[in-house]
Amino acid sequence: GQQVMQIPQYQHVQEGEDFTTYCNSSTTLSNIQWYKQRPGGHPVFLIQLVKSGEVKKQKRLTFQFGEAKKNSSLHITATQTTDVGTYFCAGRNFGNEKLTFGTGTRLTIIP
Amino acid sequence: EAQVTQNPRYLITVTGKKLTVTCSQNMNHEYMSWYRQDPGLGLRQIYYSMNVEVTDKGDVPEGYKVSRKEKRNFPLILESPSPNQTSLYFCASSVTAGESTQYFGPGTRLTVL
Repeated sequence: GQQVMQIPQYQHVQEGEDFTTYCNSSTTLSNIQWYKQRPGGHPVFLIQLVKSGEVKKQKRLTFQFGEAKKNSSLHITATQTTDVGTYFCAGRNFGNEKLTFGTGTRLTIIP
Repeated sequence: EAQVTQNPRYLITVTGKKLTVTCSQNMNHEYMSWYRQDPGLGLRQIYYSMNVEVTDKGDVPEGYKVSRKEKRNFPLILESPSPNQTSLYFCASSVTAGESTQYFGPGTRLTVL
């Protein structure tokens, strides 16, 4: 079955440093979504990427979808304490309605 | 306010005692889904429903049942809970299954002794 791997599992950064999490699928995806879960909270949708090579930005966050539509990344520039949480990617296969989540990357910020 | 609600939020129970976790959404969404979240394993889908009376297994359906008798509700039933079902459970809904954003409920933390 489809597997979605995410690295790293944990990341500790100084406030102001950049952060990147990577997502890799064993199969080609029709689309990929990114979610953020604050400590003690529930996952909240951030963005969806559909096209091969797509790049989207949300303020300090940059999302990329690979050319082969099998990998994706989330990059945060100049992290802030409000960025703390776990970031999940979630991929969907063609013709399959099931969304498969990655294992998540837990980001902690050192003030 | 558009939302997904779950009840209870916290539950401690004993092995074998049947329980139901309710999930309700007020957004008229067709697609609903249940996930469990465990450390190091991310979110794993238990069951999903494309619409009323249409349900299907996710990645980890063993030990769980669901029903979708009406559009807004999607209860998760554990007929005979076991300690390995101790987990954080999330219900989610979206307009359709295709490319839609999933809206998650606040979560239910279940402990089975």
